[in-house]
Amino acid sequence: GQNIDQPTEMTATEGAIVQINCTYQTSGFNGLFWYQQHAGEAPTFLSYNVLDGLEEKGRFSSFLSRSKGYSYLLLKELQMKDSASYLCAVRDSNYQLIWGAGTKLIIKP
Amino acid sequence: IAGITQAPTSQILAAGRRMTLRCTQDMRHNAMYWYRQDLGLGLRLIHYSNTAGTTGKGEVPDGYSVSRANTDDFPLTLASAVPSQTSVYFCASSDEAGGPTDTQYFGPGTRLTVL
Repeated sequence: GQNIDQPTEMTATEGAIVQINCTYQTSGFNGLFWYQQHAGEAPTFLSYNVLDGLEEKGRFSSFLSRSKGYSYLLLKELQMKDSASYLCAVRDSNYQLIWGAGTKLIIKP
Repeated sequence: IAGITQAPTSQILAAGRRMTLRCTQDMRHNAMYWYRQDLGLGLRLIHYSNTAGTTGKGEVPDGYSVSRANTDDFPLTLASAVPSQTSVYFCASSDEAGGPTDTQYFGPGTRLTVL
């Protein structure tokens, strides 16, 4: 079967750095996406990785290792507004997105 | 209209009733999707449409139907609602299904409660 694993919840301090991991087992791989979802709102696109390595976009970076079936989202200089759920999704061989359950990130002052 | 809109925002429905959730996008995206999101589970694909006039089944299609008569609209119908269909429903669209980025953009969601 297909499976995306993420930690259920993480806590971090304002101004700090946090890394949210995602491991996957899917039938084929055609890219990995990270989305942010604030409570009661729609998911919004953060990043996309299809090749191994690090993609940096401002305070957010995303890393991919296809051989290990592993990705992480790195958030730097955490702000209170970063409190949200972070969703990892993999596009499989049928070009369908398989979603993880999401990681709820709690930022404390 | 900017992006994707969904209606209604929320709805309480008696079991056995028929309900249509509406979704409209103004980005001229070819592909559209319906997901449901339940606590502790990832988004699950119900139905999708790669282009106007075509539809396909996702992971959890039973009890739901869709149509795609034009590019902009992608309604989701529950023919006879059951309590297990209580969920938050998100509509999404992307420029090209399976394309180089195929980034999906989401509507605000419909919170549906079936009693």
